[in-house]
Amino acid sequence: GNSVTQMEGPVTLSEEAFLTINCTYTATGYPSLFWYVQYPGEGLQLLLKATKADDKGSNKGFEATYRKETTSFHLEKGSVQVSDSAVYFCALSDTGRRALTFGSGTRLQVQP
Amino acid sequence: NAGVTQTPKFQVLKTGQSMTLQCAQDMNHEYMSWYRQDPGMGLRLIHYSVGAGITDQGEIPNGYNVSRSTTEDFPLRLLSAAPSQTSVYFCASSLSGLSTDTQYFGPGTRLTVL
Repeated sequence: GNSVTQMEGPVTLSEEAFLTINCTYTATGYPSLFWYVQYPGEGLQLLLKATKADDKGSNKGFEATYRKETTSFHLEKGSVQVSDSAVYFCALSDTGRRALTFGSGTRLQVQP
Repeated sequence: NAGVTQTPKFQVLKTGQSMTLQCAQDMNHEYMSWYRQDPGMGLRLIHYSVGAGITDQGEIPNGYNVSRSTTEDFPLRLLSAAPSQTSVYFCASSLSGLSTDTQYFGPGTRLTVL
């Protein structure tokens, strides 16, 4: 079956530091890949997505590249801000199930 | 355009009670789904619907019922609540359910079963 593995948190960084959150996946076929963000007390919001191999998703300074050869979709940001503190979820969707399979989430804490 | 709305935001039940979690969307999306989120875990799919009158089971359907009589609404029913159903519940919708579609999430319902 499908699965998503992402690095455990919490990840604690100082403002303006470089961020990487690792995500690898197992899936049949050709899934689409997503990063969702959850701010405290809120629902999930789409951060970025990529729907085929070598696609790069980007939004608000965050980027992730769909790497089929390494089955990875790592999230990066060059300079984090305090306002980026949240829980980040990597997820995949394949054509068969019409649903998202989520990783366990990574909590990011950015200190001033 | 309110997006996906859920009510109530918080609910406390006693074991054995029943209740319905409401979910509505105003984006004319065909696909709707329910997930639950437990500490240290990602979201897990409970039930989903690809259109009015059509529902199917997700990963963890036991103890939950759904129906989809309109495109807009997708309520989740707990028939006899158990402490193991204490969780945060999210409803989501997408245009057609294709794997490339973005899913839009509601703000969640935090349920506690005593």
